Amino acid sequence: GNSVTQMEGPVTLSEEAFLTINCTYTATGYPSLFWYVQYPGEGLQLLLKATKADDKGSNKGFEATYRKETTSFHLEKGSVQVSDSAVYFCALSDRADRGSTLGRLYFGRGTQLTVWP
Amino acid sequence: DTAVSQTPKYLVTQMGNDKSIKCEQNLGHDTMYWYKQDSKKFLKIMFSYNNKELIINETVPNRFSPKSPDKAHLNLHINSLELGDSAVYFCASSQVIPALVAGDTQYFGPGTRLTVL
Repeated sequence: GNSVTQMEGPVTLSEEAFLTINCTYTATGYPSLFWYVQYPGEGLQLLLKATKADDKGSNKGFEATYRKETTSFHLEKGSVQVSDSAVYFCALSDRADRGSTLGRLYFGRGTQLTVWP
Repeated sequence: DTAVSQTPKYLVTQMGNDKSIKCEQNLGHDTMYWYKQDSKKFLKIMFSYNNKELIINETVPNRFSPKSPDKAHLNLHINSLELGDSAVYFCASSQVIPALVAGDTQYFGPGTRLTVL
């Protein structure tokens, strides 16, 4: 089946520190991979995505590379800011899904990031 | 111009009551979803509708009944509310194409925080 595992938080960093949040997946078909971010009191927003192996998604200084050989999609940022404090969700959508699973997103459990000044 | 909107943002009610949450999207998408986020931030899909047709119906008590009057709306009605229904409920939408070559980005509403007393 399809599933996503991401590192448990919380993660606490100082401003300008390097960030890595690990994410690995299991998929039966050909997944697209996503990172969503949820700022306090808000809904989820797409941060970045990658639709095939070796693609790199990037946005707002965050990057993640789709690694089929290690079934991973780790999120990285070279220098975090206080404003990056949020919950980060790794997710996949399997293009092989049909019928009752069509369009479904499979989420990891989320990683809380807190950045201190 | 809000892409996915939900009302109300907060809902506080007594056990045993019946309540509804409304969702509307103006993105022209053909698929809409309801997710439940528990106190630990875990996101679980409840339902999805594609062109007003129920596609995903996870193991959700039948006290929860989604209704899609048209492609742009997906409402959630909950009967006989229980303490365990307290959570944040998110609506989302996406464009799902079976022969998709790109990832299904889902766009989320701001959430409805339901508190059952």
